[in-house]
Amino acid sequence: GAVVSQHPSRVICKSGTSVKIECRSLDFQATTMFWYRQFPKQSLMLMATSNEGSKATYEQGVEKDKFLINHASLTLSTLTVTSAHPEDSSFYICSAPLGIGYEQFFGPGTRLTVL
Amino acid sequence: QKEVEQNSGPLSVPEGAIASLNCTYSDRGSQSFFWYRQYSGKSPELIMSIYSNGDKEDGRFTAQLNKASQYVSLLIRDSQPSDSATYLCAGGGAGSYQLTFGKGTKLSVIP
Repeated sequence: GAVVSQHPSRVICKSGTSVKIECRSLDFQATTMFWYRQFPKQSLMLMATSNEGSKATYEQGVEKDKFLINHASLTLSTLTVTSAHPEDSSFYICSAPLGIGYEQFFGPGTRLTVL
Repeated sequence: QKEVEQNSGPLSVPEGAIASLNCTYSDRGSQSFFWYRQYSGKSPELIMSIYSNGDKEDGRFTAQLNKASQYVSLLIRDSQPSDSATYLCAGGGAGSYQLTFGKGTKLSVIP
């Protein structure tokens, strides 16, 4: 079964609004989670590393004030897209590592459409 | 800069054939390697992990790792149309959860 969940799976919003996406690890604790973005027919792009108890680490070119990440607990990380614009429309996917082998398990993803 | 390279494809194989997917990596410090399968519109799904040189088999899948050549491969035996997807290769360093992903190889299995 799934080890990482995401909510919502799909969201449509108006330009200028903020959207919060939740990522939960199921039955295990994740001090670190990752947020990716994927545009149609393109590869995964790591946006940021979410760290429980400390600030997120953002990849170069990702605006930290626009993509707010909060690792609220050992099983929950949230990504808030603030003042969303049509160019933010994308597939947002989180992942969490599990086990000593550092395998990353992905959530099912959230498809964001900004009108 | 750490890089993982994959041929983008598409790679087309007939049903029942062996599909061979290849990947090279630049960081000699990489310790762990993974293959993910991603169907269109879905998130990646882990299918194989490999940590030491040699082969690792799981059902119809065999992962191969050659650290000297910095090369990872995935063989899919008796390919099925349901195997049609994009396959992502990823490498991880020692003591780090972060993975470096390749851009993926699109596989089409023709009935």
